[in-house]
Amino acid sequence: GESVGLHLPTLSVQEGDNSIINCAYSNSASDYFIWYKQESGKGPQFIIDIRSNMDKRQGQRVTVLLNKTVKHLSLQIAATQPGDSAVYFCAENSSYKLIFGSGTRLLVRP
Amino acid sequence: ETGVTQTPRHLVMGMTNKKSLKCEQHLGHNAMYWYKQSAKKPLELMFVYNFKEQTENNSVPSRFSPECPNSSHLFLHLHTLQPEDSALYLCASSRAASNQPQHFGDGTRLSIL
Repeated sequence: GESVGLHLPTLSVQEGDNSIINCAYSNSASDYFIWYKQESGKGPQFIIDIRSNMDKRQGQRVTVLLNKTVKHLSLQIAATQPGDSAVYFCAENSSYKLIFGSGTRLLVRP
Repeated sequence: ETGVTQTPRHLVMGMTNKKSLKCEQHLGHNAMYWYKQSAKKPLELMFVYNFKEQTENNSVPSRFSPECPNSSHLFLHLHTLQPEDSALYLCASSRAASNQPQHFGDGTRLSIL
């Protein structure tokens, strides 16, 4: 069946370090992927997306890498800040629906 | 401000009550969605509307009844809910119903007594 999963439920990083959040997906036909950030008491906030014809896309302090060979997606956050503390979800577009992973909590230590 | 506004933010209701959740988007999008977010579970898609037409009902019990009067507004009518329906209900919108980023509201926290 279709599934999107995250390797690490909680990631703790030192402020200023880079963070890498990983995601595995199972449907090789998925053609579009999104990363979301969800802070406490708020809805998911769009961070960055990538289509399957790309393997890397950069935004402001964030980079998404897509490895279709092993069906793996990662989100890299440069110079992690306290405001980056949140739960991060990946989502894949499969059969015209977004399927979300269970999320990784990012904790930023001062 | 995400451009997607949900009201109320919090709702407590008994199992025999009838209430409605409201969602409004100011982004000019054509597709709108209802999701359920429970503790320790991934976001669950409930309904999809594209140009006011329902295109997806993800096996949602009939005690949840969506309504989409126009592309900017989406409602979720609730009736005879169960305690396991307590969750955060999120509305989202996107420019098209596929391969486009969905933008979420901050949700309605629903508690069923």
